[in-house]
Amino acid sequence: HVQLVQSAAEVKKPGASVRVSCKASGYTFTTNYMHWVRQAPGQGLEWMGIINPSGGTGYAQKLKGRVTMTRDTSTSTVYMELSSLRSEDTAVYFCARGEDYFDFWGQGTLVTVS
Amino acid sequence: EIALTQSPATLYVSPGEVATLSCRASQSINNNLAWYQQKPGQAPRLVMYGASTRATGIPARFSGSGSGTEFTLTISSLQSEDFAVYYCQDHNNWPPKTFGQGTKVEVK
Repeated sequence: HVQLVQSAAEVKKPGASVRVSCKASGYTFTTNYMHWVRQAPGQGLEWMGIINPSGGTGYAQKLKGRVTMTRDTSTSTVYMELSSLRSEDTAVYFCARGEDYFDFWGQGTLVTVS
Repeated sequence: EIALTQSPATLYVSPGEVATLSCRASQSINNNLAWYQQKPGQAPRLVMYGASTRATGIPARFSGSGSGTEFTLTISSLQSEDFAVYYCQDHNNWPPKTFGQGTKVEVK
C-alpha cells in the first residue's frame, strides 16, 4: 500500500535552513508527481511547490529563491529545503502525491523557527 | 489568479443531520474541484475530486456537486468521525496551488 513517511520535527533558528524528507513506498516513485504543502499553526493549507516525474520543479512565487525540492530515485525519497528561515515559516510541512489532486499525504513534519 | 471562497467558516450540525458546505471559485474551473477532510493533528485526506467523484474508501454519505464556479460538498446523516475541517482545491489550473480557507464542521 502507498506510504509517504516524513522526517522528524525540527527546531531551527532564524536565518538557518531546514531539509525535510519524504520517503515513498508502495507505488512507482518515478512516474508520479510529488508536492509540498505547509500549514501554519491554526491556519489553512499553502501549496509550496512540485517535483515532476522527470525531476523538474516548480515553486510558489512567494517562496522562489528560498525553497529547493529534490529527489533521490535510488531511495524513493523527495526532499524539501527551505533557507533563510523566519518565524512565519513555523508550520507543519506535508508531502503529497498526485498530479492535480493529492491522493496520499505524508504524516507531516513540524518545523519550528525560534 | 483564481481564488476559492468557502462558506460558512464554521458549520454547526447535529449528528445524523445533513451538512452542506460551499466553495465558490472566482472564475470557472469547470468540474475540477477537490475536497479534503482534515482532523486535528492529522494530514488532509482526499474526499472528492472532479467535483463529484468520491475518493477510495470514502463512504456514500459524502456527495459532491457543481461546476463552473459554484460547488457543494454534502454529508448526509453526519457521523461522529465526520466532524473536521474541509478544504476545497482547484485542480483545473496547473500547478494545483489554490485551496479554500476551510470550513470547520462542529457539533451543534
